[in-house]
Amino acid sequence: GDSVTQMEGPVTLSEEAFLTINCTYTATGYPSLFWYVQYPGEGLQLLLKATKADDKGSNKGFEATYRKETTSFHLEKGSVQVSDSAVYFCARSYGNNRLAFGKGNQVVVIP
Amino acid sequence: EAQVTQNPRYLITVTGKKLTVTCSQNMNHEYMSWYRQDPGLGLRQIYYSMNVEVTDKGDVPEGYKVSRKEKRNFPLILESPSPNQTSLYFCASSFLGGVKAEAFFGQGTRLTVV
Repeated sequence: GDSVTQMEGPVTLSEEAFLTINCTYTATGYPSLFWYVQYPGEGLQLLLKATKADDKGSNKGFEATYRKETTSFHLEKGSVQVSDSAVYFCARSYGNNRLAFGKGNQVVVIP
Repeated sequence: EAQVTQNPRYLITVTGKKLTVTCSQNMNHEYMSWYRQDPGLGLRQIYYSMNVEVTDKGDVPEGYKVSRKEKRNFPLILESPSPNQTSLYFCASSFLGGVKAEAFFGQGTRLTVV
């Protein structure tokens, strides 16, 4: 089916460290790919997106590149801040405006 | 301000007592949907609507109903809630502009069924 897989478990790292969160998707059709972020007590908000192969989405220092050959859309940030602590969801589009989400990764940045 | 508004934010109810969670958006979006978020399972779609009077089942529709009588509103109805429906619920909306449309989410409703 149309699914998204994120790496297992929370991610804890120190301020200014490099962040990578892995995401792979099933290769059905030509999906758009998204990263959403959920801050504590809030709903999800779009962080970045890419709509075709080799596109790079970027926002707030985060980047992800749509890799069709590896069916991946890994999220990266070069120097995280405490304010980046949140849950990050990878998602792919399918069908009529539908989104399939990964299970999410809790990111905790320690000062 | 563009937003999706859900009410209530928190709700504790008893098994079998009908309840409705409201969702309203002010962006003239055609597409609206409901998700539930559970630990270790991520977000799963319950129902979605592509326009007024057009609704369809998502991945986990059992025990839920929806209606779309107006473009801006998309209430979620639990006719007879059960404890396994204890969850965090999100409403979302977007333009029906193909797969590039950005989804906007409400702040969530935390439901506890005892």
